[in-house]
Amino acid sequence: EAGVTQSPTHLIKTRGQQATLRCSPISGHTSVYWYQQALGLGLQFLLWYDEGEERNRGNFPPRFSGRQFPNYSSELNVNALELEDSALYLCASSSRDYYNSPLHFGNGTRLTVT
Amino acid sequence: RKEVEQDPGPFNVPEGATVAFNCTYSNSASQSFFWYRQDCRKEPKLLMSVYSSGNEDGRFTAQLNRASQYISLLIRDSKLSDSATYLCVVISLNTGNQFYFGTGTSLTVIP
Repeated sequence: EAGVTQSPTHLIKTRGQQATLRCSPISGHTSVYWYQQALGLGLQFLLWYDEGEERNRGNFPPRFSGRQFPNYSSELNVNALELEDSALYLCASSSRDYYNSPLHFGNGTRLTVT
Repeated sequence: RKEVEQDPGPFNVPEGATVAFNCTYSNSASQSFFWYRQDCRKEPKLLMSVYSSGNEDGRFTAQLNRASQYISLLIRDSKLSDSATYLCVVISLNTGNQFYFGTGTSLTVIP
């Protein structure tokens, strides 16, 4: 079974640009979660999509947005990039049977803003 | 108040020691609990689920105390390879089954 895949692995942008990060969940998983992890810090919840709808978002400004496609893959968009957006962005997926199949993470996209 | 709280540590223990981490949760409606392990600059990986009656997987034992609203992870006979950050995760039914992560407890096993 293929795991959660994220692309690109690394992304370098300059301040003010836009970044698009992509995530493909495990086959059969309908929920996708996005997390930000700055160096040395814990996971910060960004967004949660389920069945194509945004279910919840964390305490981040509106320039962080995303969507989930009919095939359950997801995109995270970050507009007007700031230096402090540099972090590891992790995508995770889960099925409805979360007790037996909790969150599975991708390898992450490492975003560097210069 | 945060949904999930953990002692960030760091815990520095010698090889072969037994170490325990606790994690408290604020929502009494929480229904599912997990421990994840995260190595430096890598993604978190599921270590084990936490069952109501407690459960063991080799050197790892997880316990749930619903009355006091905490979960624990016990690692016996620590190995160098156990060095990592351990994250507790809680799911609450009345928040739409969202996963809540603790900030993690850092463990370093010293030779």
